[in-house]
Formats: sequence, C-alpha cells, structure tokens
Amino acid sequence: GAGVSQSPRYKVTKRGQDVALRCDPISGHVSLYWYRQALGQGPEFLTYFNYEAQQDKSGLPNDRFSAERPEGSISTLTIQRTEQRDSAMYRCASSSFGSTEAFFGQGTRLTVV
Amino acid sequence: AQSVTQLDSQVPVFEEAPVELRCNYSSSVSVYLFWYVQYPNQGLQLLLKYLSGSTLVKGINGFEAEFNKSQTSFHLRKPSVHISDTAEYFCAVSVTGSGGSNYKLTFGKGTLLTVNP
Repeated sequence: GAGVSQSPRYKVTKRGQDVALRCDPISGHVSLYWYRQALGQGPEFLTYFNYEAQQDKSGLPNDRFSAERPEGSISTLTIQRTEQRDSAMYRCASSSFGSTEAFFGQGTRLTVV
Repeated sequence: AQSVTQLDSQVPVFEEAPVELRCNYSSSVSVYLFWYVQYPNQGLQLLLKYLSGSTLVKGINGFEAEFNKSQTSFHLRKPSVHISDTAEYFCAVSVTGSGGSNYKLTFGKGTLLTVNP
C-alpha cells in the first residue's frame, strides 16, 4: 500500500484477554517503530525494529507487552492479560534505514473494559 | 534523557490571523527537532524538521519554525492560518548521531490549534 496500515482501527477487549495489533509498513521500509499514546499525551516510544531484528525494546512497559517482525515486514504488537491502563492509541511508523523521517499509520484505538 | 514541553494545550485563533505554537526541549546532547501534525482521524504527518544548518526551517502548508539553541526552543509559526489548519500539533526531538540513534522520538503533549471563521 501507499502508507503505513494498521489493523484493527478499533479494538474493544475485556480485561484479561490477549490482543494482537498489526502493522504493515510502507513497502521497502527497513525500520519499524511502535508508539503508545494515552489520551491527552504525546506518543511514547515502545520498541523499534530494523528488518526482523528488534533493536530496542526499552519502552515496553512490562513483560505483558511483546512485539515481533518475523520476516522483516509486517509487525505484531501483542499485549497479554490486558488491563484497563493499557487503553490507548497504539501507533506504528516506518522509515527508510537511517532516515530521520518516520511515516505514521492511523493507529489502533484499544479500549480495555 | 530528553523532554519536550509544549506550553499551550489549546490555541484558538481566527482565520487569516498569525499563529505561534511554542515548543521547548531539554537535552544534554545535540538533538534533531520535528513538528508533526495530526488531522482528525488521520495519522501523524511530518510538517518540518531541523537537522542542522539554517535555524529557520520551512515546512509544508506554509508553516515554518526557528531553532534557538540558547533558549532551547523550536517554535512553529504561520503568518496566516486557514480553517483547514485545525489539527493537533506535536513537537518532538530525537538524539543526533550515527548508528540509528536518531530513531527514538520524544514527543510533547501536543497543542490543539482551532481556527475559527
């Protein structure tokens, strides 16, 4: 596609369930990033990949959060045993290797009830 | 660690008026500076960026920003706004350097610009 695609756009889940959020980056973009944006806040860095290698996961809040990018293209952010505090907009971005310009998707709005 | 402060959470202005959205940052190392815009129901879009060189940076849609190292500021300006500029604007920084260290953006909380007719 022309841009970064995220799915689903909206996800409502019950507390304790696992969720998987998908990101399809711009074709040919080597680098992929995940951010989380709480209401009224700016996005906060979660994790970053170059190709299939997870380079930095320092922003993942705890071990319920994990991300993968097995073939260096599509990435999945998984949240296990969701809690209400996980409710937020989850944003994915991609860029060419070493580029300072990241292109963002529309995000996935996660609501944990 | 870096931090970004956007001093105004909301800025209402009338159409064709000038606007300035303020951004200050804190960092112990050199940074790159960015402004992103988010229109309703869309993703973040890069408006402009400062990497090096001229401190006045021009971006899309008639916006510009000026890097002021002594004041650690990167304020966004537009001389005459349109209704279509209504959106949320985010200032962000990343650390300069090689090895991909510039990948991690630190964002401010955002400023909601509302342009009224």
